[in-house]
Amino acid sequence: GQSLEQPSEVTAVEGAIVQINCTYQTSGFYGLSWYQQHDGGAPTFLSYNALDGLEETGRFSSFLSRSDSYGYLLLQELQMKDSASYFCAVRAGGFKTIFGAGTRLFVKA
Amino acid sequence: DAEITQSPRHKITETGRQVTLACHQTWNHNNMFWYRQDLGHGLRLIHYSYGVHDTNKGEVSDGYSVSRSNTEDLPLTLESAASSQTSVYFCASSESSSSNEQFFGPGTRLTVL
Repeated sequence: GQSLEQPSEVTAVEGAIVQINCTYQTSGFYGLSWYQQHDGGAPTFLSYNALDGLEETGRFSSFLSRSDSYGYLLLQELQMKDSASYFCAVRAGGFKTIFGAGTRLFVKA
Repeated sequence: DAEITQSPRHKITETGRQVTLACHQTWNHNNMFWYRQDLGHGLRLIHYSYGVHDTNKGEVSDGYSVSRSNTEDLPLTLESAASSQTSVYFCASSESSSSNEQFFGPGTRLTVL
């Protein structure tokens, strides 16, 4: 089977740093993506890691360890607008992508 | 500007009816995908296509079909709608590139009564 595990909810304070973890078990693995989705909106792409290590894009960073089947999304200098759901997703073969159930991030003032 | 659109945005239908959801992209992407999103399940892949006349089954393909007659469109058909197919449906497209970035449409909220 194929499964991705991520926490269902995370709460953090404005200005803080938060890490959302994702562990995966899939029949194929080409890379790990992260998407953001605000309520009522469509998912939007944040990052993609094909190789081990840290990728940084502004306030967001994403990490991958293929040997541990593990990755995380790091959000720094949290802002209220970062309140949203965050999905990890595995590129499992070709361009087929399997999504996790999502982590709802609440940012408090 | 290039975009991906879905229609209708909202649809209410009855059990047993055939329903077709449209997806149209002007990115000229080869890859197109259909997902459904339900609370607690994230996005689940229904069908996907890597090009004209190519279609493949995803995780939850039973009761759904797609066809790809051109690059821009991938309509999703529910042959005989069931209440279990009440959901939000997202279409997405991507290039065949190393970034694996998918661009999502705005979604269609389907209710089957």
